[in-house]
Amino acid sequence: EAGVAQSPRYKIIEKRQSVAFWCNPISGHATLYWYQQILGQGPKLLIQFQNNGVVDDSQLPKDRFSAERLKGVDSTLKIQPAKLEDSAVYLCATGSRRGTDTQYFGPGTRLTVL
Amino acid sequence: GENVEQHPSTLSVQEGDSAVIKCTYSDSASNYFPWYKQELGKRPQLIIDIRSNVGEKKDQRIAVTLNKTAKHFSLHITETQPEDSAVYFCAASAPDTGRRALTFGSGTRLQVQP
Repeated sequence: EAGVAQSPRYKIIEKRQSVAFWCNPISGHATLYWYQQILGQGPKLLIQFQNNGVVDDSQLPKDRFSAERLKGVDSTLKIQPAKLEDSAVYLCATGSRRGTDTQYFGPGTRLTVL
Repeated sequence: GENVEQHPSTLSVQEGDSAVIKCTYSDSASNYFPWYKQELGKRPQLIIDIRSNVGEKKDQRIAVTLNKTAKHFSLHITETQPEDSAVYFCAASAPDTGRRALTFGSGTRLQVQP
């Protein structure tokens, strides 16, 4: 089966610019997560969707970050405006197949803010 | 919220030796504990997981032990090989209470010297 797809793989922007990331989950996976992984740290949850509804966005900096999951399939994460400290890898993960708690990660988007 | 501490941050072993990585968690509701391996520039890959109704789980050279009373769990890799070199992350979640998002440790960089 196809894995979690993300694009772009790399993005370099100037601070105060906008950027958007896209995630296509494994078919049938109802739960979708966006994690932020700063260099040298473990991934940190930004937002969790169940189908097209938000389950947890308590750690999402809502003044600059937004995310949506239209039709409960693909998801986009946007940063506007970007700050230097947003430089990180943004990982999308999906899961919640019936009977398992496993999360499958996409390859990530490496964002560099200059 | 949940807090996961991971030790050591770096671990260097000789090929063929064993490696042990330890994690502690704070939320007694957590009952799912996966371990991920992340090679440089790659996505996190699940290598083994354990639920709190089980004290130990083994898969070939990899084993995980869980002490629910002490709130700690460990990854054991035996007969290490150079290809085991990577960063390993422990994580915790509480899917039975609805908290499916993972809280990650800070990672352990394992170096296996040939």
